[in-house]
Amino acid sequence: DTGVSQNPRHKITKRGQNVTFRCDPISEHNRLYWYRQTLGQGPEFLTYFQNEAQLEKSRLLSDRFSAERPKGSFSTLEIQRTEQGDSAMYLCASSTHGELFFGEGSRLTVL
Amino acid sequence: GQQVMQIPQYQHVQEGEDFTTYCNSSTTLSNIQWYKQRPGGHPVFLIQLVKSGEVKKQKRLTFQFGEAKKNSSLHITATQTTDVGTYFCAGRGNQGGKLIFGQGTELSVKP
Repeated sequence: DTGVSQNPRHKITKRGQNVTFRCDPISEHNRLYWYRQTLGQGPEFLTYFQNEAQLEKSRLLSDRFSAERPKGSFSTLEIQRTEQGDSAMYLCASSTHGELFFGEGSRLTVL
Repeated sequence: GQQVMQIPQYQHVQEGEDFTTYCNSSTTLSNIQWYKQRPGGHPVFLIQLVKSGEVKKQKRLTFQFGEAKKNSSLHITATQTTDVGTYFCAGRGNQGGKLIFGQGTELSVKP
């Protein structure tokens, strides 16, 4: 499978715990995006990378969220001290310069 | 900051009827993209519009980009049950980079 891969697909955690999601983009795609989506809403932009450089981060993102793309390939999104409001689908997408190719997402449930 | 608004939020049609969703941006866009998300799935790219006043067709789907590059529409002629899903527009500002999604229009088609 040469599409965007995300894991874990599902994560249930208790409030206050840290979680980390991984995204493996399509090979050779230099841009990687993270979005958050809740039921009935559109994907909400979180951050994006061009190669290993994080070019933009949403102001909506608190300092509990951090993303990395250390070698310009896979990326991780970490949420520290999770809150119930963090429950959502976390989508990763990659691209070269045009269309975004999305992964299946990682669904987070914070109890 | 850049905002993308989409209406209507829901549209219920009888199979064979037409469907239109509208997208408006608070700022001028460099390009706009359209995505379709089936229930339980992830967004899938449909098309990208770049030029002012551009019109593109894909079979029964017609996409338009406004003259001012601040609005767009998607029109589906003679809907089919396979058209069911949520349609999102997503705009990229003149500074490039992040893609901002609208809230989406959920289309249901009654056979």
